[in-house]
Amino acid sequence: KNEVEQSPQNLTAQEGEFITINCSYSVGISALHWLQQHPGGGIVSLFMLSSGKKKHGRLIATINIQEKHSSLHITASHPRDSAVYICAVCSGGSNYKLTFGKGTLLTVNP
Amino acid sequence: DAGVIQSPRHEVTEMGQEVTLRCKPISGHDYLFWYRQTMMRGLELLIYFNNNVPIDDSGMPEDRFSAKMPNASFSTLKIQPSEPRDSAVYFCASSLGGSSKETQYFGPGTRLLVL
Repeated sequence: KNEVEQSPQNLTAQEGEFITINCSYSVGISALHWLQQHPGGGIVSLFMLSSGKKKHGRLIATINIQEKHSSLHITASHPRDSAVYICAVCSGGSNYKLTFGKGTLLTVNP
Repeated sequence: DAGVIQSPRHEVTEMGQEVTLRCKPISGHDYLFWYRQTMMRGLELLIYFNNNVPIDDSGMPEDRFSAKMPNASFSTLKIQPSEPRDSAVYFCASSLGGSSKETQYFGPGTRLLVL
């Protein structure tokens, strides 16, 4: 079983819809990252979370440490949000190794 | 800053050939990471360096893979001999500090195809 599980694997939405992508992990972590990979392949870091919630524009990320779960929400989705969204966790300590989920492919249709 | 720079962007080679991928991290960043991305396995950490010293190479698949960082502004990932199963996109990333909470900045990747 992968240490980091994302759901759904694929998601298709209409422009304007509210999007939720989920990430569950099985190990204790010091931080969780959400990344965005555009169709061209480039990867951009969106959020780093160790507790609570963060917001950037139309994107909101939450984490529940006790339940080992994080969600990424997109409000008022737009076709330019179409990308693969990847969750990654770091178990912390002296090792800075990230373990990644397989990603969620989001397609937002106009 | 130009961001993380990788070269080449695309590489096509034949099985058995040596392949060298190059990375220039963002100036001032102390950490450098090499990742591999495939459809089957997603993103995987291969190795990372702190101040040019390899810290964790447990993700390096086998002895055919080697990585060096001779100075703060340059790193290489070498595959010798290459095999078709090495076909993947290889990303280099760098970060400013030594914390799991630091943002990593990714390069554009090198798309490798081994025939």
